[in-house]
Amino acid sequence: DTGVSQDPRHKITKRGQNVTFRCDPISEHNRLYWYRQTLGQGPEFLTYFQNEAQLEKSRLLSDRFSAERPKGSFSTLEIQRTEQGDSAMYLCASSQGADTGELFFGEGSRLTVL
Amino acid sequence: GNSVTQMEGPVTLSEEAFLTINCTYTATGYPSLFWYVQYPGEGLQLLLKATKADDKGSNKGFEATYRKETTSFHLEKGSVQVSDSAVYFCALSETGNAGKSTFGDGTTLTVKP
Repeated sequence: DTGVSQDPRHKITKRGQNVTFRCDPISEHNRLYWYRQTLGQGPEFLTYFQNEAQLEKSRLLSDRFSAERPKGSFSTLEIQRTEQGDSAMYLCASSQGADTGELFFGEGSRLTVL
Repeated sequence: GNSVTQMEGPVTLSEEAFLTINCTYTATGYPSLFWYVQYPGEGLQLLLKATKADDKGSNKGFEATYRKETTSFHLEKGSVQVSDSAVYFCALSETGNAGKSTFGDGTTLTVKP
C-alpha cells in the first residue's frame, strides 16, 4: 500500500495560466476527495467522487475549476485562468466505500500564483 | 451549516507536560468526530475518532470523548513527547456523507525537551 500520492508537489505559475494536479488514491478506495487549505486554516471541502461519478461540488469550486476521475482510479483537478487567490495547498484524500468518515490524505500540491 | 472551533495556538509545552486542545462543534444531526495530525513535511493522518455520543477515541496515548451535551471533543494526553510536535486538526463529518468533513483551523503544538 503506497498511500495517496499527489503530483506535482509544488507548482509556481503566472496569473492567467492553467494548471493541473493529479491524485492517485489508495488502490482499493472507491471514494476520492479534493480539499483546499490556505495558510493558518483547516482544509476546506471542494468536491468528491464515488468511483467515476462526481457526487458533490462545493460553492467554493468556481467555474474555473474542474475535476475528473475518468476510470474511477486517479483524479485530476484543473484550474483555468489562475488568480492569485488560488494560491493554496490542494489536498487529495481517499476512503473506503463504507461510510466511516476516515480520510487518507496525500501530502498535497502547493500552488503559488505570481 | 457545520462548523468546528479549535483552541487557538500555538501551544508550547515541556516534555512530559499534560496536553489539552479544546474543540467545539456545531452540526445538524449526529456527526462523527475526528482528530487528525500533521507532522512536519507529511500529510494529514487520522489520530483518533468517535462516532457517537460518549464514545472515547484513543491512540498513541491521546484521548478524546464525544460530549454531545457540550458539543465538544477535546484532545488530551497525559505526558507529551518531543515527537508529538505537530499541527492537530479537529474535524466532523456528516451522517450519511462521511467524507465531506468540516475542519477546524488547526493547533500547532511544540514540545520542548
